[in-house]
Amino acid sequence: KQEVTQIPAALSVPEGENLVLNCSFTDSAIYNLQWFRQDPGKGLTSLLLIQSSQREQTSGRLNASLDKSSGRSTLYIAASQPGDSATYLCAVPWGGTALIFGKGTTLSVSS
Amino acid sequence: DGGITQSPKYLFRKEGQNVTLSCEQNLNHDAMYWYRQDPGQGLRLIYYSQIVNDFQKGDIAEGYSVSREKKESFPLTVTSAQKNPTAFYLCASSRGTTSYEQYFGPGTRLTVT
Repeated sequence: KQEVTQIPAALSVPEGENLVLNCSFTDSAIYNLQWFRQDPGKGLTSLLLIQSSQREQTSGRLNASLDKSSGRSTLYIAASQPGDSATYLCAVPWGGTALIFGKGTTLSVSS
Repeated sequence: DGGITQSPKYLFRKEGQNVTLSCEQNLNHDAMYWYRQDPGQGLRLIYYSQIVNDFQKGDIAEGYSVSREKKESFPLTVTSAQKNPTAFYLCASSRGTTSYEQYFGPGTRLTVT
């Protein structure tokens, strides 16, 4: 069965730093990969969806890359801000049904 | 505004009682999902529905039931058979399964004592 892993589990950085969040998956036969943001006690906000045929997807200060062959995706956040503090989750569809999620990386950006 | 609504935001129940969580979407999406989120566990799939009047069990369906009588609505009932019902429940929808982006509601936090 597909497994999704996110490292690190937690990350603390000062404001303004560029950072990378990592996501790995065990089975490379994926249709796409989705990155989400979750604030404490809230639902998930979709950040980026990368189709399997794409290598990168960008939205503002966020850039997500996908390397299917190595089973990895990275989320790059440029010039981090305190408002970026949240938990970031990656997920892949599996079995033609729903999403398999990683456990997330909790990011804290200090001013 | 298009989106997914879940109600209530917080729900408290006594052990042994059934409780129903509401999920409504006005995105005209065919597929809808229920996930459960526990600290340190990540999100896990309870049930999903690809079309009206059809639904399938996910990884942790025991103790839960759903219905899909309307395209817009996918209520989840947590029955007394669910051993550890206290959790954060998230509803999601998508145009279809597999290759489509999923959108999530704000969640319902259920506490059973």
